[in-house]
Amino acid sequence: DIVMTQSPDSLAVSLGERATINCKSSQSVLHSSNNKNCLAWYQQKPGQPPKLLIYWASTRESGVPDRFSGSGSGTDFTLTISSLQAEDVAVYYCQQCYSTLWTFGQGTKVEVK
Amino acid sequence: QVQLVQSGAEVKKPGASVKVSCKGSGYTFTSYGISWVRQAPGEGLEWMGWISTYSGDTNYAQRLQGRVTMTTDASTSTAYMELRSLRSDDTAVYHCAREYGGTLDYWGQGTLVTVSS
Repeated sequence: DIVMTQSPDSLAVSLGERATINCKSSQSVLHSSNNKNCLAWYQQKPGQPPKLLIYWASTRESGVPDRFSGSGSGTDFTLTISSLQAEDVAVYYCQQCYSTLWTFGQGTKVEVK
Repeated sequence: QVQLVQSGAEVKKPGASVKVSCKGSGYTFTSYGISWVRQAPGEGLEWMGWISTYSGDTNYAQRLQGRVTMTTDASTSTAYMELRSLRSDDTAVYHCAREYGGTLDYWGQGTLVTVSS
């Protein structure tokens, strides 16, 4: 299985400041056929199912605020919240869909400092 | 609007089986796959497997192979996940999610399965 490792496990950021979450895969998730990375980011708030934020590593899902952005390629990826809002407090997960057996990162908890 | 509605909470004894349903509406059911993801209390997300609602093809997580079966019924737009030989560490919230291109864009509300003697 492809192992997804996120860092840090948790971070505290002041409101209005930038939050950066990293995700590293144990092998490349870049499809050579279409030059797209099969990597998604999800946000999960307590008591709720996850919500899709980003797919293909950098494409924002419809309705997701533009303060959320994804970047990276191959094995190293980043989710950035450009200006943290109170409603962004949540756990964030990356997920690879490159192999037939998909895997999630362990999650990163984002809190307000 | 797209909705995935799951069956209610279950309490099972160790060694028993559970079958969770997931009914899709607001879209063409057979145009999207369904994945199942579980989350143990206080833990992260664990991908369990995927089923093509069009062909019935499946992929299961290796650690669940032999204990899990995913099926669909296109006539009722419903997907099912059955887990057998339940253990205490199978206690979790089980989610279904609509899949397209490997991305899970709509999720069910979750079904709590508690395994306890």
